[in-house]
Amino acid sequence: EVQLVESGGGLVQPGGSLRLSCAASGFTFSSYAMSWVRQAPGKGLEWVSAISGSGGSTYYADSVKGRFTISRDNSKNTLYLQMNSLRAEDTAVYYCAKDDGLIAVAGYAFDIWGQGTMVTVSS
Amino acid sequence: EIVLTQSPDFQSVTPKEKVTITCRASQSIGSSLHWYQQKPDQSPKLLIKYASQSISGVPSRFSGSGSGTDFTLTINSLEAEDAATYYCHQSSSLPSFGQGTKVEIK
Repeated sequence: EVQLVESGGGLVQPGGSLRLSCAASGFTFSSYAMSWVRQAPGKGLEWVSAISGSGGSTYYADSVKGRFTISRDNSKNTLYLQMNSLRAEDTAVYYCAKDDGLIAVAGYAFDIWGQGTMVTVSS
Repeated sequence: EIVLTQSPDFQSVTPKEKVTITCRASQSIGSSLHWYQQKPDQSPKLLIKYASQSISGVPSRFSGSGSGTDFTLTINSLEAEDAATYYCHQSSSLPSFGQGTKVEIK
């Protein structure tokens, strides 16, 4: 069964850091680009970041550029999102999503989603 | 940045009725437009990819059409289980989503 399981969410103070993980199973992880998408409470979906299957290309939304870093370990079938300098507006459920192709930001749909992990930024 | 605008924002529909949701892109995106269904407290689920391609396991009452800047998701003969929020997503450039359309069952 194809599956994505996020972890690492929690409560963090403004200015703090958090690292999210997404464990993948049931498919050849290195053959697919991956993305992070977030959803603030009661709001719509916002794309955050994407990474190619090899990890050699990364992309970010302007709202997180310079603060968040996406990475992957293909030997561990795991995707990461390092989040620094967190702000209240970063509060959201963070989903990892599998692109249905190898190259990031190349026209693909998100065909598999994880269950999400909640990040709350508050003092 | 490509902006996607969905209409309507909310729709209350009786079972067996036909539902039409539109998504308009701020510039041409070819067929790089996908539709998702999100039920309360669940993650999004891919319904239609590349504007009109069906997804295995998705009921045939869901269909998509359009290209360029104007796209449509159609739900024929709505069922109670279709109560959800529907999002369009473009992947022609850096990804973006529409604001969502909430479908309620009367």
